[in-house]
Amino acid sequence: DQQVKQNSPSLSVQEGRISILNCDYTNSMFDYFLWYKKYPAEGPTFLISISSIKDKNEDGRFTVFLNKSAKHLSLHIVPSQPGDSAVYFCAASANNDMRFGAGTRLTVKP
Amino acid sequence: GAGVSQSPSNKVTEKGKDVELRCDPISGHTALYWYRQSLGQGLEFLIYFQGNSAPDKSGLPSDRFSAERTGGSVSTLTIQRTQQEDSAVYLCASSRGGGRAGSPLHFGNGTRLTVT
Repeated sequence: DQQVKQNSPSLSVQEGRISILNCDYTNSMFDYFLWYKKYPAEGPTFLISISSIKDKNEDGRFTVFLNKSAKHLSLHIVPSQPGDSAVYFCAASANNDMRFGAGTRLTVKP
Repeated sequence: GAGVSQSPSNKVTEKGKDVELRCDPISGHTALYWYRQSLGQGLEFLIYFQGNSAPDKSGLPSDRFSAERTGGSVSTLTIQRTQQEDSAVYLCASSRGGGRAGSPLHFGNGTRLTVT
């Protein structure tokens, strides 16, 4: 069962514009949400997270928004840079269990 | 400050053979996870170890898969009688404890398994 879903397999944006990556989840017990970034031939690396008691967390160019009623979160990257091109995974955690979405491949064009 | 180390980085095996994949977590990390990523797919949870507690094996796809963690540190994922559908990148991750925001997962670079 896919408890965490990323419905867009790919996204292409122009350098300098905003990238918005979306994620939906089904398990209301999830209490932390995280975004990971993955380059080819490397493991995913942690990017940003948000607790279920918040609706927004910002870190530099990266902001994560959480809508608990809709069981939806999004990652905003602004301004997007070519080096941001990677696969982005959404993850959700409940107790000690972490589940990942299928990933969205972001391409930022110069 | 070594990160999570996985070996081998690549493994090609014949169908029906057994394979062992190794993971060295970050020192002091009590939680250890195994995931796999098949071609074009997301990260599929396999198994989770936390300290001395019984592991969460709920993600193991069949009884051909097993894992152990010795001394609360190194972990080995074993796949018996490999099948072609086992071909994937197997990722190991560790954290200080669980998946909370204060302890995100640190991943190794994975082992790419190819079953011919």
